[in-house]
Parts: sequence; structure tokens; C-alpha cells
Amino acid sequence: KNEVEQSPQNLTAQEGEFITINCSYSVGISALHWLQQHPGGGIVSLFMLSSGKKKHGRLIATINIQEKHSSLHITASHPRDSAVYICAVPNMDSNYQLIWGAGTKLIIKP
Amino acid sequence: EAEVAQSPRYKITEKSQAVAFWCDPISGHATLYWYRQILGQGPELLVQFQDESVVDDSQLPKDRFSAERLKGVDSTLKIQPAELGDSAMYLCASSKQGTHTDTQYFGPGTRLTVL
Repeated sequence: KNEVEQSPQNLTAQEGEFITINCSYSVGISALHWLQQHPGGGIVSLFMLSSGKKKHGRLIATINIQEKHSSLHITASHPRDSAVYICAVPNMDSNYQLIWGAGTKLIIKP
Repeated sequence: EAEVAQSPRYKITEKSQAVAFWCDPISGHATLYWYRQILGQGPELLVQFQDESVVDDSQLPKDRFSAERLKGVDSTLKIQPAELGDSAMYLCASSKQGTHTDTQYFGPGTRLTVL
């Protein structure tokens, strides 16, 4: 079983839809990161969460430490949101190196 | 806004040749990471530096790969000789101190194709 699991693996939606991507982890963590990777390779950090909820524009990230679960939501989705969204947690036993989820490939159709 | 710089962006080489990638992290960032990402997979950490020191290079294939960060600023990753299986995106990232809450900032990557 992977230490960080994401669902769904692939998600296709229509422009304007509300999007939810889920991340579950089995290791003890002090923080969780959500990142975005566009075709072509660039990776951008979206959020670092240690508790509760964070919002940036149309993106909202939540974390439930007790349930070991985090969600990334996109409101009013747009084709430019099409990307791979990755959940990652720092490995507290290994210099806080990131343990990466497999990613969720999101396609938003106009 | 400060960015992590990488060059070249693309590199095509023949197997058995030597290749080198360069990374300039955000100014003041002590921690520098080199990742390899094969298409369709997540990034794999190759080496982590704290200033000029290697913190972890356990996943670096040391028979052919080498990495250095001599003055604790920019860094070079070298492959010699390149093999077909080395074709991948090589990503550099930096963070302030490499702690659990630090954000890693990624460069645009170098896409390597080995023929």
C-alpha cells in the first residue's frame, strides 16, 4: 500500500464544475503539500497545510489530521486548470523529503 | 518574483555521451534538490544538498551520475555515460531550509532525450 494515495487518478469535467481531488496518507505528518504540474513539466506549489483549511483564489485545500485525509477543491473550474495535481507529505524520518502521491490528471473541457 | 533557473531546457544526446545540467536556486535558499521524472510518473529524488553538503544521494546512480554544489549556491548534475534509460525530465528545486513546512520551488526542468 502506498503511503500517499490520491483519487481519482483521472478526472474530466466541464468548465464551471466544482472539482474535488482527494489525498489519503498512512504516515504521521506535520504538513501536507499540494502541487500542480502543467504539461511541459513545470511544478508549482499550491498549498502547504498543517491543519484546517486554506484558500487561494478558486482553490481551496482542507486537511483532517485525525482521518489522515486532505482534499483539494477547485470552484468554477476553467480549461486553464487542466493539469496534474499532486499531494505530497514530508518524510519525517528522511530529511523531510517529499513522499509523492501518484497525481490526479485533471482535464477541464470548455 | 524570484525563480529557480535551469539550463538547458532541452538536451538531445547519444548514448555513451556526457551531459551536464545546471541549476541556480532562489537566492538565500540553503536546500537544493535534483529530481528525475519519467513520463507519467512522479518525481524521484536523486540528491539533496544543504548548502554545499550532500544530505542524501542514496538514489543517485553513482556509477554514472555526479552532482556538486561547490559554493553552496548553484549546482551541476552530470551523467557520464548517458544511457537510453536516462531519458527523462530532470527537475531542480530549492527551499529555504528544507524543513517540513518549507515550500519547494521548482525550476522549469531539463528534458533529456538519449538516442
